[in-house]
Amino acid sequence: AQSVTQLDSHVSVSEGTPVLLRCNYSSSYSPSLFWYVQHPNKGLQLLLKYTSAATLVKGINGFEAEFKKSETSFHLTKPSAHMSDAAEYFCVVSDLNYQLIWGAGTKLIIKP
Amino acid sequence: DTAVSQTPKYLVTQMGNDKSIKCEQNLGHDTMYWYKQDSKKFLKIMFSYNNKELIINETVPNRFSPKSPDKAHLNLHINSLELGDSAVYFCASGSGGFHNEQFFGPGTRLTVL
Repeated sequence: AQSVTQLDSHVSVSEGTPVLLRCNYSSSYSPSLFWYVQHPNKGLQLLLKYTSAATLVKGINGFEAEFKKSETSFHLTKPSAHMSDAAEYFCVVSDLNYQLIWGAGTKLIIKP
Repeated sequence: DTAVSQTPKYLVTQMGNDKSIKCEQNLGHDTMYWYKQDSKKFLKIMFSYNNKELIINETVPNRFSPKSPDKAHLNLHINSLELGDSAVYFCASGSGGFHNEQFFGPGTRLTVL
């Protein structure tokens, strides 16, 4: 069965410093992977997705993620954090029924 | 234009009542979904539905039932509400398929007293 594990429940960085949100996945086939963001009291927005076309995926708002099959990882990064990046981030894998399996989320805190 | 909309945004009700949440999408997608997000932000799929098939998460109580009057709408009916039903419910739509993302509504915060 497919699953995702987000390794940190909270990540705190200073504004202007790099962001790293870690995600490991488990899949018996080549997966489809996504990162979604949820701002406080808001809905869920797609940041980026991996669909096997390229291992380095660029998303919105300066975020990117790299698919590493050997490490079964799909970590999300951003070179320089902005206050508006404070939100909950979800790593997601698609299963063979086209349903999304969600990680537990990582809360990103940005310190001024 | 709002892609996926839900009403109401907030719903406060008493235990034992029956309530509905409406969802509409204008993206032309074939598949719609309902998710429940608990207080710890964990998202769980409840239903997925397209013209051909309803897939129900086996852990969802049968007090919950999706109803789709047409391809653009998937409403959620909840009977005999319980305290544990308090959560944020998200509707989503997608074109289906392994690589296709889902688009989410703003959520409905349900509070059962």
